[in-house]
Amino acid sequence: AQSVTQLDSHVSVSEGTPVLLRCNYSSSYSPSLFWYVQHPNKGLQLLLKYTSAATLVKGINGFEAEFKKSETSFHLTKPSAHMSDAAEYFCVVSRPTGGFKTIFGAGTRLFVKA
Amino acid sequence: KAGVTQTPRYLIKTRGQQVTLSCSPISGHRSVSWYQQTPGQGLQFLFEYFSETQRNKGNFPGRFSGRQFSNSRSEMNVSTLELGDSALYLCASSFDTSGNTIYFGEGSWLTVV
Repeated sequence: AQSVTQLDSHVSVSEGTPVLLRCNYSSSYSPSLFWYVQHPNKGLQLLLKYTSAATLVKGINGFEAEFKKSETSFHLTKPSAHMSDAAEYFCVVSRPTGGFKTIFGAGTRLFVKA
Repeated sequence: KAGVTQTPRYLIKTRGQQVTLSCSPISGHRSVSWYQQTPGQGLQFLFEYFSETQRNKGNFPGRFSGRQFSNSRSEMNVSTLELGDSALYLCASSFDTSGNTIYFGEGSWLTVV
């Protein structure tokens, strides 16, 4: 079975400070892992994807995530937050199961203070 | 390359009516999936289609149905609308069903009054 847990429902940072959004996963197989961002009234946009190549994955807008198999984690980070980063972020795990199975985390709302 | 296109973007329906939402996937993508997003329940998987066949289905009542056409375009239908069906309905497409990246449309906002 697969599952994904986003450890924080809300994260608040000041502009210019680092961002850390935490995600733990569980999977019986080598999973594909994704982070998506959703701005208000918009669809989900892919930030980055891990597919068993490099464990440190770089995404768009300065975000990156590190796959740690021993900790079953895939945390999203950014060195310096910008006001435009305020949005909801979803950690996603997927694997083929004779079909396509995608599990979404509950989401983390990121607030960025000026 | 055009992204995933959903129509209509916004609609208001009355309880008891039915609604059809449309999704055009990215060119070349054969897998289409649908999700319901509400503030209380978050993102919930509705169903997935590949080559006109439903491959997976979420835990929704039979009032929710979908189909996929030979050109990979997909529609979902909700019959006998209830107030609780008010939500953002998101369509996503991917090349196939083997864990490839899924790309989302902007969604269709459905309000049931």
